Amino acid sequence: DAGVTQSPTHLIKTRGQQVTLRCSPKSGHDTVSWYQQALGQGPQFIFQYYEEEERQRGNFPDRFSGHQFPNYSSELNVNALLLGDSALYLCASSFRGPRSGANVLTFGAGSRLTVL
Amino acid sequence: QKEVEQDPGPLSVPEGAIVSLNCTYSNSAFQYFMWYRQYSRKGPELLMYTYSSGNKEDGRFTAQVDKSSKYISLFIRDSQPSDSATYLCAMASGTYKYIFGTGTRLKVLA
Repeated sequence: DAGVTQSPTHLIKTRGQQVTLRCSPKSGHDTVSWYQQALGQGPQFIFQYYEEEERQRGNFPDRFSGHQFPNYSSELNVNALLLGDSALYLCASSFRGPRSGANVLTFGAGSRLTVL
Repeated sequence: QKEVEQDPGPLSVPEGAIVSLNCTYSNSAFQYFMWYRQYSRKGPELLMYTYSSGNKEDGRFTAQVDKSSKYISLFIRDSQPSDSATYLCAMASGTYKYIFGTGTRLKVLA
């Protein structure tokens, strides 16, 4: 059973460029969350997608945007890259369904972005 | 003040030792408490998931939650070199987002 897969694993961009990161959730999961993890820090919540809609957003500027597709996969887009955007970007999937309560997140290995 | 505080370490212990990892938090709305293990250049892996207060045991791992003190702990018994990793605590009040600690780097010496 494939877990959460992310691509690309590594990429290097220059300031001002744009980047798109991709995520395929674990089989059976319907919700995708994106986190940013700077070196030596814990993951920071960017946003969550469920039923192809952004459900909640963390404290990140509008340069960060996303999308969820009908097959539950997701993309994270970052425009006008800054040096401070260099980080490991983690995708996490979960099954939300109709119930409430925190859902167990399954993380991918991440996409490591370096902005020069 | 951060919502979740976690000592970054590093923490070095000999093989076979009991390891205690801790987090404190300030948001009394948190009801879900998780511990993740993250190896270098990998994504976090769920170790323990606890709802509300109490203890939970799984093999060599025990998670404790004390909501009155806003304090959670993870104990690792008979620690092994393969336990060397960064341990992240995470908390949530609902379905949307987890708040993570900074992580504690653990090294178990053979």
